Amino acid sequence: QKEVEQNSGPLSVPEGAIASLNCTYSDRGSQSFFWYRQYSGKSPELIMFIYSNGDKEDGRFTAQLNKASQYVSLLIRDSQPSDSATYLCAVATSGNTPLVFGKGTRLSVIA
Amino acid sequence: GAVVSQHPSWVICKSGTSVKIECRSLDFQATTMFWYRQFPKQSLMLMATSNEGSKATYEQGVEKDKFLINHASLTLSTLTVTSAHPEDSSFYICSARLTGRDTEAFFGQGTRLTVV
Repeated sequence: QKEVEQNSGPLSVPEGAIASLNCTYSDRGSQSFFWYRQYSGKSPELIMFIYSNGDKEDGRFTAQLNKASQYVSLLIRDSQPSDSATYLCAVATSGNTPLVFGKGTRLSVIA
Repeated sequence: GAVVSQHPSWVICKSGTSVKIECRSLDFQATTMFWYRQFPKQSLMLMATSNEGSKATYEQGVEKDKFLINHASLTLSTLTVTSAHPEDSSFYICSARLTGRDTEAFFGQGTRLTVV
């Protein structure tokens, strides 16, 4: 059974702070790792993807991957109230397989 | 990025009726599409994998006779919820990935189904 685990939260951070979201996965065959943001009643929207160990930065977002520890994280710098949403971690084993999602972490950025 | 269009965005139906949800890839060909279901405050749960020109692959616990999937072309997959009941009320989302590449999944807008 492929599993993706996330802390459900809610995670509350003040505006301007760094939000840290964590995710672990069970399938060592996982090759692709994704972070999606989902607002209530909407479809998920991609924030970042990462394939290789290490850090990947895109604007205020940094994804970190450690395959040995089966761990993925997302850092959001200078958090804004508009970042308040549920963040979904997802993994896939290969190119055209479905993504397996975690339950998501609710983030609340307080102004 | 690639665009996936899902229709309708919301539907209310009576118990016992059937509802069809369409998922279209607008600017790419999708030999495979994925159907997810999401209950309130839960994550996306994969229901089935839709394969163009062949039978869909259903996840364990998903009734194939209740959730009919048709993928008749490279740009269209449909999910029909047959004999819908209130417990089928959920948010249904389709997605597709570009074939042969390690890319993200592109999602449709989702369909909010309410069975009364």
